[in-house]
Amino acid sequence: QKEVEQNSGPLSVPEGAIASLNCTYSDRGSQSFFWYRQYSGKSPELIMSIYSNGDKEDGRFTAQLNKASQYVSLLIRDSQPSDSATYLCAVNLGFGGNTGKLIFGQGTTLQVKP
Amino acid sequence: DAEITQSPRHKITETGRQVTLACHQTWNHNNMFWYRQDLGHGLRLIHYSYGVHDTNKGEVSDGYSVSRSNTEDLPLTLESAASSQTSVYFCASSTGLAGRDTQYFGPGTRLTVL
Repeated sequence: QKEVEQNSGPLSVPEGAIASLNCTYSDRGSQSFFWYRQYSGKSPELIMSIYSNGDKEDGRFTAQLNKASQYVSLLIRDSQPSDSATYLCAVNLGFGGNTGKLIFGQGTTLQVKP
Repeated sequence: DAEITQSPRHKITETGRQVTLACHQTWNHNNMFWYRQDLGHGLRLIHYSYGVHDTNKGEVSDGYSVSRSNTEDLPLTLESAASSQTSVYFCASSTGLAGRDTQYFGPGTRLTVL
């Protein structure tokens, strides 16, 4: 069974620190990787996508992908209290053709303390 | 602006009643998805569609049905609501672009079955 694993947390960091969120996946055929942020009572919001090994930066966010280790991470620099949310890792096999299904991890709750 | 909407946002119903949740997107996306989200289970896929007249079962499809008569809409029907179907339901859509497909979520419907 294809799985995506995340530590549920909560992960607590002080304001201004770097928050590191991790995700592992079981299917080596996975091609596309996503991080969603979900505030309490709201819908998931896409914040990062990554398709190739290495780092991808977007503002304070950096996604890191290592397909050999089947590992994807999200770094949040200069964490702010407004970053407090649940972060969902999602994986798409996307191997040829239209396989739009995503497999989600259970999410990591991040708490940024002022 | 293009968007994805869900209605109603909140619904209370009784056991045994038929309930339909609406999902409408104006992005002209080929793919549409229905998820439910429960504490301890994360996001679970109920049904999905890759285009008009195409529907497929997800991992938790029992008791649910969908139909796709046009590109914009994918209504979710609970044939005979059960208390176990009390949950938050999210609709999502994506382009279907192979290898670069990205899902965007609607605001969600909170359903309570008494």
